[in-house]
Amino acid sequence: SQQGEEDPQALSIQEGENATMNCSYKTSINNLQWYRQNSGRGLVHLILIRSNEREKHSGRLRVTLDTSKKSSSLLITASRAADTASYFCATEDMRFGAGTRLTVKP
Amino acid sequence: DTEVTQTPKHLVMGMTNKKSLKCEQHMGHRAMYWYKQKAKKPPELMFVYSYEKLSINESVPSRFSPECPNSSLLNLHLHALQPEDSALYLCASSQAGADNEQFFGPGTRLTVL
Repeated sequence: SQQGEEDPQALSIQEGENATMNCSYKTSINNLQWYRQNSGRGLVHLILIRSNEREKHSGRLRVTLDTSKKSSSLLITASRAADTASYFCATEDMRFGAGTRLTVKP
Repeated sequence: DTEVTQTPKHLVMGMTNKKSLKCEQHMGHRAMYWYKQKAKKPPELMFVYSYEKLSINESVPSRFSPECPNSSLLNLHLHALQPEDSALYLCASSQAGADNEQFFGPGTRLTVL
């Protein structure tokens, strides 16, 4: 079953802009992961953030976690057309959020 | 080799057919997973195998039957499916334990007529 909601459901931006996606979850967690999925294909792991971490960076990705609000955000900086995909958060029991469909226009 | 392979890529079957989906990994992972994903929805966990033993079955109907013959292979046997079972079926693997990145295969697109 689905873990929670992601916000926004869809996001369309221009190349070079930043994209922020939010995820809420329902249960207590030890870690939260973010995945990316290109249209109709398998998922690719982006980043894992543990419950004792507030922020984590990986290249152009920045993830924050607020366990008191049961929410996380994924920021992609300087977006590229190749970033066009769906982005999902997932709790450690592998329940995924609803996902954000990101479109980056060249 | 950091790849999870799935065969077939596409499958069309009638409601009376029996078919199988296959998943393979050679990363030494001891946890393997099956997910079902409907269009524009997130993946839904179906089964988890840990050290070749079924550890999680998310109340999946018995017309789906998983099998893990060895640590590299995972099968999903399909029988008497319904049209609403049409979906993308994703396989994944990881190191055992909840803290680990999952590696996903490209999926099998299943259509049930």
